[in-house]
Amino acid sequence: GQNIDQPTEMTATEGAIVQINCTYQTSGFNGLFWYQQHAGEAPTFLSYNVLDGLEEKGRFSSFLSRSKGYSYLLLKELQMKDSASYLCAALDSNYQLIWGAGTKLIIKP
Amino acid sequence: SAVISQKPSRDICQRGTSLTIQCQVDSQVTMMFWYRQQPGQSLTLIATANQGSEATYESGFVIDKFPISRPNLTFSTLTVSNMSPEDSSIYLCSVGGGSNQPQHFGDGTRLSIL
Repeated sequence: GQNIDQPTEMTATEGAIVQINCTYQTSGFNGLFWYQQHAGEAPTFLSYNVLDGLEEKGRFSSFLSRSKGYSYLLLKELQMKDSASYLCAALDSNYQLIWGAGTKLIIKP
Repeated sequence: SAVISQKPSRDICQRGTSLTIQCQVDSQVTMMFWYRQQPGQSLTLIATANQGSEATYESGFVIDKFPISRPNLTFSTLTVSNMSPEDSSIYLCSVGGGSNQPQHFGDGTRLSIL
């Protein structure tokens, strides 16, 4: 079966760094997406990885290891507005998105 | 990315009634998707709506309960039929996807059934 695992909830301090992990098992693989979703709002696209390595985009970076079926989202210089759920989604061989349950990130001052 | 307008943004409905949700995009798109997101949970794909063909439903979702229209490349509707409290959820439309393109979401419809 197809499966995405990510932690349910994480807590971090304003100004710090946090890494949100995601492991996936899919029928084929065509890339991995990270989305941010604030409470009561729609998900917004953050990053896409299809090749191994780190993609940096400002304070946010995303890493992929295809051989390990593993990705992480790294958030630096955390701000209170980063409090949100972070959704990991893998694209399978049929180009269908398989969604994780999301990680709720709580930022404390 | 495309601008996606979804209406209504929220509604409170009576048990047994039906509600149609509209999704309008400011550009032509091939694929449109309808999702459900129950409180505290992730996204569940209901169906994929391609213009000119019948929608493709995921396991657990049927056309009689969630009829979908896709009359052109910029518009789609999802109807939630014969609603029960279990249908209380956020319904989201999205566009894009495919090879390496992200899906982009409308603001969602927050539906409560009494």
